[in-house]
Amino acid sequence: QKEVEQDPGPLSVPEGAIVSLNCTYSNSAFQYFMWYRQYSRKGPELLMYTYSSGNKEDGRFTAQVDKSSKYISLFIRDSQPSDSATYLCAMSVASGTYKYIFGTGTRLKVLA
Amino acid sequence: NAGVMQNPRHLVRRRGQEARLRCSPMKGHSHVYWYRQLPEEGLKFMVYLQKENIIDESGMPKERFSAEFPKEGPSILRIQQVVRGDSAAYFCASSPSMGDTQYFGPGTRLTVL
Repeated sequence: QKEVEQDPGPLSVPEGAIVSLNCTYSNSAFQYFMWYRQYSRKGPELLMYTYSSGNKEDGRFTAQVDKSSKYISLFIRDSQPSDSATYLCAMSVASGTYKYIFGTGTRLKVLA
Repeated sequence: NAGVMQNPRHLVRRRGQEARLRCSPMKGHSHVYWYRQLPEEGLKFMVYLQKENIIDESGMPKERFSAEFPKEGPSILRIQQVVRGDSAAYFCASSPSMGDTQYFGPGTRLTVL
């Protein structure tokens, strides 16, 4: 069993839809959770990070962590074609560590 | 305000040749991390270096792979006697200190024929 599981997609939605992207994990020691966006043939760029449980909002993006269920989510409101990319979740056991464990990524297509 | 630079962006090698991948961290960053991304797999940590030191190479294969980050110049990931299974995208990330957010470069796509 992988430490971090993520549905590879692709996930296709119409422009303006609310998108929900999810990851589950097995290591209860994970405390620091991140979402990266990766456009085709580019490097991952950090979108959001959260520490421990709860929600964090940044513009159209909301990151949610449910440690009791070992489940994290990224919501994108009013999705745009420019949001079409692969979204990678990543986690580590603490915010000061460097070993990130990545999910395989979910490919998202937002249709105009 | 240049980000992390990697070159070459694409590298083609025949089996048995050597591959050298270069990474220049962001300005002010002295910590470098190398990751490998295989199709349908997530990014896998390979090695973490500071200037002139290898801090953690636990994710790097023991044979044929080596990494360095000299006092001057870019970090280099070296793969000797490449095999087809080495074909992947190799990403470098950098941070100002250990544990800080890692910023990724555009990657080098290695194809082994």
